[in-house]
Amino acid sequence: DGGITQSPKYLFRKEGQNVTLSCEQNLNHDAMYWYRQDPGQGLRLIYYSQIVNDFQKGDIAEGYSVSREKKESFPLTVTSAQKNPTAFYLCASGGSGANVLTFGAGSRLTVL
Amino acid sequence: SQQGEEDPQALSIQEGENATMNCSYKTSINNLQWYRQNSGRGLVHLILIRSNEREKHSGRLRVTLDTSKKSSSLLITASRAADTASYFCATEAQKLVFGQGTRLTINP
Repeated sequence: DGGITQSPKYLFRKEGQNVTLSCEQNLNHDAMYWYRQDPGQGLRLIYYSQIVNDFQKGDIAEGYSVSREKKESFPLTVTSAQKNPTAFYLCASGGSGANVLTFGAGSRLTVL
Repeated sequence: SQQGEEDPQALSIQEGENATMNCSYKTSINNLQWYRQNSGRGLVHLILIRSNEREKHSGRLRVTLDTSKKSSSLLITASRAADTASYFCATEAQKLVFGQGTRLTINP
């Protein structure tokens, strides 16, 4: 089955630690995205990548980093510089043409 | 800044009734999309309407777009308990921007 796999589904982190969220897709999509969702809120764009080895900051990139070494993979690192990292993180991918996104199931990060 | 704003923020209706959600936006768009999110899950694409279209149907879903008023509506007919979810509009100009969503509850 084609789709997007995010892992882990739940993650707990101590303050001061970096954590990396995995996102893998087998849809052969060029574009991949990371969004953050806070309770009762919409999605805010963190980073996006339209092609391998290239990525751009979204609206709330501070405290986050990404890489796009392979078409299938777009991991997100939440660094210790992110002041309020507790949130639900969603990865998505999109093909060419109209920007219809396919989403993963999400990763919930809690900072203890 | 957020492009799409949804109204109402929450909606609770009885099973079998129709549910209508509205989305307003501020600038010109290429297309508008609606997504659904079950609690604690990812979003699922429902329907896309282009800026030169006025109405689109998909099963029990009906979407309208009024570019003069910069607004769209999503109608779900004959609602079912399984339709309980949050519904988001997303507008695309240079990039896709999501609204804050409408939480829909269908009571059996």
